[in-house]
Amino acid sequence: EPEVTQTPSHQVTQMGQEVILRCVPISNHLYFYWYRQILGQKVEFLVSFYNNEISEKSEIFDDQFSVERPDGSNFTLKIRSTKLEDSAMYFCASSEGLRNEKLFFGSGTQLSVL
Amino acid sequence: TQLLEQSPQFLSIQEGENLTVYCNSSSVFSSLQWYRQEPGEGPVLLVTVVTGGEVKKLKRLTFQFGDARKDSSLHITAAQPGDTGLYLCAGAGFSGYALNFGKGTSLLVTP
Repeated sequence: EPEVTQTPSHQVTQMGQEVILRCVPISNHLYFYWYRQILGQKVEFLVSFYNNEISEKSEIFDDQFSVERPDGSNFTLKIRSTKLEDSAMYFCASSEGLRNEKLFFGSGTQLSVL
Repeated sequence: TQLLEQSPQFLSIQEGENLTVYCNSSSVFSSLQWYRQEPGEGPVLLVTVVTGGEVKKLKRLTFQFGDARKDSSLHITAAQPGDTGLYLCAGAGFSGYALNFGKGTSLLVTP
């Protein structure tokens, strides 16, 4: 069964460093998303991406965050200068159809900022 | 932000029991999705309900969307240890791309 894959599964970084989280969405999907889940809190929307541009972003997705689809398969989330409060599980998701129907989530990248 | 409140927060039951978990909001949603999440994994979609009053069944799981499209429930019949996990509801607005998640109900089914 097709699945969304994310790498790395765990990332430890120092505060102020840049990190890139990588995702390979399901191949025929057109909509891509990043969500995050801080320990003990709810899953929060960060950004959606369609047709090679951001279609929506949340207040969390400030200038420190960027997304890119550098080739036909990868979808990346970059945090330019990490803060302690960026520590969270980051989930990539993709969907085939319109907007946010039937999202398929990856297993996540656990980001720890020290 | 459209808040989704899930209850109960935690539920521990014996195998074979029935249970219902709830997802409530003061906001109206275009659709509502239920996910199950296991530790260290991403949420896995169980069902999407779209029409007010809609009832969907997935084996022993029954999902209902409220008539006013503000709330939903998940009923599990004869729970099994394999049902253990975090059950999340997520609402979609009438525009935009974001799903708004509740905090979830953590279910433990013991043999």
